[in-house]
Amino acid sequence: HLQLQESGPGLVKPSETLSLTCTVSGGSISSDYFYWGWIRQPPGKGLEWIGSVYYSGNTYYNPPLKTRVTISVDTSKNQFSLKVNSVTAADTAIYYCARRVGRGDMTDAFDIWGQGTMVTVSS
Amino acid sequence: SYELTQPPSVSVSPGQTARITCSGDALPNQYVYWYQQKPGQAPVLMIYRDTERPSGIPERFSGSSSGTTVTLTISGVQAEDEADYYCQSADSSGTYVFGTGTKVTV
Repeated sequence: HLQLQESGPGLVKPSETLSLTCTVSGGSISSDYFYWGWIRQPPGKGLEWIGSVYYSGNTYYNPPLKTRVTISVDTSKNQFSLKVNSVTAADTAIYYCARRVGRGDMTDAFDIWGQGTMVTVSS
Repeated sequence: SYELTQPPSVSVSPGQTARITCSGDALPNQYVYWYQQKPGQAPVLMIYRDTERPSGIPERFSGSSSGTTVTLTISGVQAEDEADYYCQSADSSGTYVFGTGTKVTV
């Protein structure tokens, strides 16, 4: 069955760039049925959608984050990635990658999630 | 920005019924999805398109919709249902939004 796994540094300095990768296993990222997204959760708080990417490279971002976020896809490696520029302490969170259904009855549902990775912004 | 409002907490005794509401102005025109999140774990999809259950989700979980409010109902609550629950929808521009979250205590 399909699984997602986040990877990347757990500590990032303020003003630097946060970079994470999500590796998809057990299935192909190059499916026209799904989008691939990032969602974050600050400690003790709720969920925030960051953005999504389609295997073709089309991207969709949450407007408040749009100027600092880049999501990209590498179909040859079955991976997609997140970059957040100019980070501050407010970007400290658990970052999840997730599959979003793009067609059919479950359209717009985030049906498979990675386990999440904690990223702390601190000097 | 678009917001989905949930009660911060719901307390229920084992075997009773828990109801969690999610309110938002656009909900009459958008579907809602519900997720369960246990401590230290990733969210799990429990309900999609307001009322549908993915395979493997117990029948005691159900969803309903009325106007600007959508409700997740847990019938015959079990201790294992203690968790945070989040609703999710999308606004007219395709931005995905999560609710404020509800902690269910059994």
